[in-house]
Amino acid sequence: EIVLTQSPATLSLSPGERATLSCRASQSVSSYLAWYQQKPGQAPRLLIYDASNRATGIPARFSGSGSGTDFTLTISSLEPEDFAVYYCQQRRRYTFGQGTKLEIK
Amino acid sequence: QVQLQESGPGLVKPSETLSLTCTVSGGSISSYYWSWIRQPPGKGLEWIGYIYYSGSTNYNPSLKSRVTISVDTSKNQFSLKLSSVTAADTAVYYCARHLATRMAPNAGYFDYWGQGTLVTVSS
Repeated sequence: EIVLTQSPATLSLSPGERATLSCRASQSVSSYLAWYQQKPGQAPRLLIYDASNRATGIPARFSGSGSGTDFTLTISSLEPEDFAVYYCQQRRRYTFGQGTKLEIK
Repeated sequence: QVQLQESGPGLVKPSETLSLTCTVSGGSISSYYWSWIRQPPGKGLEWIGYIYYSGSTNYNPSLKSRVTISVDTSKNQFSLKLSSVTAADTAVYYCARHLATRMAPNAGYFDYWGQGTLVTVSS
């Protein structure tokens, strides 16, 4: 089973700053990785798929990179609505990482 | 705009069967893959299983012995049954559609989600 480990568990930043979130896979998943955003009381929202493709309607400040075992989600300049929990997911067995909470500093 | 809505009992007794239905509106259930995903309170996401509109299924190995997912294309619905539930099955249950691309009808990710429904297992 492929395990996804996200870091950090919590990231404290201010609006306007750049956020860098990491997801590491226990074995290669090629480029088959997605990122989701989840706000309290809401369903997850697909942001990025196949490591670097933005989903429909996702702002350009969200970008994804990586391949193999190491992946990054970057938010170039944080907006107030970006503070949420972020999950990575690999498509082979549809497993998710444990999440990174992005909180306001 | 595709919308998904989960429905079913919010409280299930231990050892009984959890049953939920997802109704798809604003689009057809045909030609897509559909999944159930759950999230225990305050925890992460766990994929339960998927069904193709044709009826083919694939389940999480850790739940496979207890899960049945079915589809009713005439009603644009698919359903989840989880048997022999315990308190560990208490979670928000989401239904979701699989992203389809030009390259694959099942890209392996979830682009539309229901709002989720909390199911509590308790006597």
